[in-house]
Amino acid sequence: GENVEQHPSTLSVQEGDSAVIKCTYSDSASNYFPWYKQELGKRPQLIIDIRSNVGEKKDQRIAVTLNKTAKHFSLHITETQPEDSAVYFCAASKRGTDSWGKLQFGAGTQVVVTP
Amino acid sequence: NAGVMQNPRHLVRRRGQEARLRCSPMKGHSHVYWYRQLPEEGLKFMVYLQKENIIDESGMPKERFSAEFPKEGPSILRIQQVVRGDSAAYFCASSRDNQETQYFGPGTRLLVL
Repeated sequence: GENVEQHPSTLSVQEGDSAVIKCTYSDSASNYFPWYKQELGKRPQLIIDIRSNVGEKKDQRIAVTLNKTAKHFSLHITETQPEDSAVYFCAASKRGTDSWGKLQFGAGTQVVVTP
Repeated sequence: NAGVMQNPRHLVRRRGQEARLRCSPMKGHSHVYWYRQLPEEGLKFMVYLQKENIIDESGMPKERFSAEFPKEGPSILRIQQVVRGDSAAYFCASSRDNQETQYFGPGTRLLVL
């Protein structure tokens, strides 16, 4: 089955700097890659996603890139702010016969933005 | 449009008791996924259901755990004879037909004493 690896496990950045989180996946059939942000005690919230027919997607300070050949995708956060502090999870899924399947999550990255 | 609802938000059980966790998907969503998050760990898939059908239960332990999503009413994750290792946050997510995006509920935090 699918295996998603995520690095780093923790990331400390100064406010205003950029943060990059990288994930690799094993199943070449995976074709949907969302990123979730989870604050302490809260639900995972979708922040951005990318499909396999796209190489890059951007939404304000957040961008995601996908390299299908190498089977890796990355989250980029620019001009980080203290409210970006949270755990970020990457995930991968693929479409089955009639529906989309489960999300396979990476282990998460604890991002700490210091003022 | 209300989001995914879960109840209870917190549940305390003693070893050997049963735990019932409920999930109401977003309006218009007929696909429900359950995930478990152990303390300080990631999210692990348990089971995927559509109305009245279990589509994928590959992540759910064979014993003590069951799930359903009846034609009417919420999806229910049932854990029988709970043990301390069942203590975790249980999240459900829902999606529309032919849509890959999953939206998560607030979770149920189960504590087994």
